[in-house]
Amino acid sequence: QVQLQQWGAGLLKPSETLSLTCAVYGGSFSGYYWSWIRQPPGKGLEWIGEINHSGSTNYNPSLKSRVTISVDTSKNQFSLKLSSVTAADTAVYYCARGISGVVVVAATPKRYYYYMDVWGKGTTVTVSS
Amino acid sequence: SSELTQDPAVSVALGQTVRITCQGDSLRSYYASWYQQKPGQAPVLVIYGKNNRPSGIPDRFSGSSSGNTASLTITGAQAEDEADYYCNSRDSSGNHLGVFGGGTKLTVL
Repeated sequence: QVQLQQWGAGLLKPSETLSLTCAVYGGSFSGYYWSWIRQPPGKGLEWIGEINHSGSTNYNPSLKSRVTISVDTSKNQFSLKLSSVTAADTAVYYCARGISGVVVVAATPKRYYYYMDVWGKGTTVTVSS
Repeated sequence: SSELTQDPAVSVALGQTVRITCQGDSLRSYYASWYQQKPGQAPVLVIYGKNNRPSGIPDRFSGSSSGNTASLTITGAQAEDEADYYCNSRDSSGNHLGVFGGGTKLTVL
């Protein structure tokens, strides 16, 4: 049973850098998209970005200039850094395992799938002076 | 703004059937995945792919898709199904980005 355990600083001052790490236990690290998602208080989920085992990343364009996601395959861990935080970055941050691929159906146009099947418990990050 | 559109709130009488929808251009190519989130908890995957349920998800949850619209159907809603539901997909840019719908608050009456 794959489990994700995440940790990091929960209280930051404006302009500081948010740093979170997520460790993967009980499963393979390769073949997946290791993702970060956040949820501001009382609001919906926001996809931050992802990385695969080889280090290829995709980022939400609205955060791209401030986000870095990295991976340490030797430790089965991946990390999120978000620079120059403001109060708007106050949220619960989740790590998750993403799976993406194509459904091969011979007689119809291809369809694709994408989902996140395993989630960390979340880390509350508050930005306040 | 989200590229996936959901109704903010839906209600259903106990034991009845409810459909939660999600619209977006990317859903013409991608099957939506659906997540249930209860207060103070992490989201839980309930439907993925064409209509697949992870282990432990009751069979009253099902998914479907038509054109640019994906649907999550709960047949015989239970009190414990009251939660927020989010759809998720890649976006329509072709840049392999993830996107969530705004979420639907389901109330079981």
